[in-house]
Amino acid sequence: DTAVSQTPKYLVTQMGNDKSIKCEQNLGHDTMYWYKQDSKKFLKIMFSYNNKELIINETVPNRFSPKSPDKAHLNLHINSLELGDSAVYFCASSQGYAGRTEAFFGQGTRLTVV
Amino acid sequence: AQSVAQPEDQVNVAEGNPLTVKCTYSVSGNPYLFWYVQYPNRGLQFLLKYITGDNLVKGSYGFEAEFNKSQTSFHLKKPSALVSDSALYFCAVRDSLDAGNMLTFGGGTRLMVKP
Repeated sequence: DTAVSQTPKYLVTQMGNDKSIKCEQNLGHDTMYWYKQDSKKFLKIMFSYNNKELIINETVPNRFSPKSPDKAHLNLHINSLELGDSAVYFCASSQGYAGRTEAFFGQGTRLTVV
Repeated sequence: AQSVAQPEDQVNVAEGNPLTVKCTYSVSGNPYLFWYVQYPNRGLQFLLKYITGDNLVKGSYGFEAEFNKSQTSFHLKKPSALVSDSALYFCAVRDSLDAGNMLTFGGGTRLMVKP
């Protein structure tokens, strides 16, 4: 059973489009995250979501918005896609904040904006 | 503000030899330290963590790391490297005083183990 699953695995889209990436975890964790990994493999936190508390990295453009329909899901919506949004996006989850407990990561969604 | 540095982009080691992947950190409070590994086209996998207690932490796949407060380091080690250990390794830190509760990752170190 996949613990943290993301769909789609690959996403190719044109500039200006709006797209969503879905994430589901079956671990019963109460905290979920979105990370962005750029072409140099640098990994940056975008959002964390815990019991309806959203913590946003202030460097993330407001074109990016997380949506959590329930505790097991944290979807990422991106409006007006730009070339610089091309990256691999990872969803993760943990029990409590991942500052003390380890996070479990999905396999990533490679987004290519053309 | 918290930060973490991995000074080596790549580490090369022969199979059977010991390996070390370096990590140094900067925090205002106490550090919570983690190592993750990423295989090609995969997500990150947790290896080990230091929260408190014994400075030597043992983790998955025979890896261990030593917390050194005076040197603000948390180097990852393994006594005998395997070719299958070749991957990208990330060190991460959280400052106990960080209200945002977010992990900060280092830039990653690519480990190449040659037969």
